[in-house]
This record gives sequence, C-alpha cells and structure tokens, in this order.
Amino acid sequence: QQQVKQSPQSLIVQKGGIPIINCAYENTAFDYFPWYQQFPGKGPALLIAIRPDVSEKKEGRFTISFNKSAKQFSLHIMDSQPGDSATYFCAAAVFSGTYKYIFGTGTRLKVLA
Amino acid sequence: DVKVTQSSRYLVKRTGEKVFLECVQDMDHENMFWYRQDPGLGLRLIYFSYDVKMKEKGDIPEGYSVSREKKERFSLILESASTNQTSMYLCASGVWGGTDTIYFGEGSWLTVV
Repeated sequence: QQQVKQSPQSLIVQKGGIPIINCAYENTAFDYFPWYQQFPGKGPALLIAIRPDVSEKKEGRFTISFNKSAKQFSLHIMDSQPGDSATYFCAAAVFSGTYKYIFGTGTRLKVLA
Repeated sequence: DVKVTQSSRYLVKRTGEKVFLECVQDMDHENMFWYRQDPGLGLRLIYFSYDVKMKEKGDIPEGYSVSREKKERFSLILESASTNQTSMYLCASGVWGGTDTIYFGEGSWLTVV
C-alpha cells in the first residue's frame, strides 16, 4: 500500500514531442505529490508538485494531471527539448509525525534533437 | 537557494571498512534524510531525523547507522561496508508547513570492493 508505481521505465521522443510519465498509488492518505528531475551525476531537484485538491497544475512547459478517484497522476512535458533529457521521479508523501516520501522507480527520458 | 552539501562525491572503500558520509544543509531545516539510489529501485529511505539527536529508521536501515549532533549536519555510517552497499547515497533536508518539499544534495557514489 506504500508503493508508488511509475511507468514507463524509459522513454524516447523527438524534439517538440509531449512525453507523458505516469504514476499510481494505493494509499489515500498521501497528500503531496512532487516530481523530481535528475541529471546524470546530480541529485534530484524538485520540478513541480501538486496537492490532491486540484486536478492540474502547470509550471512553464511542465504539467501535472491528477486523478484522485483513479489514484493516478502524470507528468506532461510540452514542446520537449534535448535539455529535458534526464531521469524523472514521481513521489507521494504522507504526514505521520513527519513527511514520509515514497518514490517511484524513475523514468529515463531522452529527447532527440 | 537551499544548499545541501555532501562532502564526499566519490569514494572507494574495502569490504569491512567503516565508512562515514557527511551531509550539511544551510537552511536551518529540522528534517534530514538519507536515501540510497539504485537502478530500477528508485530512491529508498535509509534513515531520517526530525531533530538534533533524534533519528528514525526508514525502509532499509540494516547495515547503517546515523548521527545528528548539530541541526545542520547529518552523517550516515556504514559500520562494516559490504559489496552490496555499493550505491549512490543521497542526503536531503526539508521543513514542513510550507511547501513540504525536500531538497537533495548532489550525491555520494560509494564503491565497496
């Protein structure tokens, strides 16, 4: 029940394409859903995050879609660029004395020029 | 900007050695975390601390211990390194009540031979 399932494991798109990464969770107590972007040799950096009281959030070219009833959320990257090539992790967090983050297994994205 | 600094980026240690991984954050965050990142497994929580001298086990604490003597510093200790502890180790820090976000360091690559 504490797992976050992320798919696909890897993704290749052409420049300008719209890669979509999906995550699913079971625990309805999760109340914070961030996405992290990680470049090779670097630590993950927060990209965008959403709370379950909204269905969509946009920040620049990045959009989170959130479906509370289906317990799924996804990341869309509009007009993808080669510089977006990175590994993306979804996470779900629940507060129990402190916030506990559960991470997905990651999606390696490659955007071709 | 939040800065989480992991002083050792690349280490090679022998089986049985005691290993110290140090992490310092400059944002006065109460909460600090140690994760382990392995391909296909995502980020797994080893230990976390919500206050000085306080620590809690995460999902994979076996073979590890931690120390938090000062608010800004959180150390991960491998008492007797083994080859299955070869991995990337990520330190993170965060404070709750605002964005509830955790911020990662650049990671420490540990190879145990």
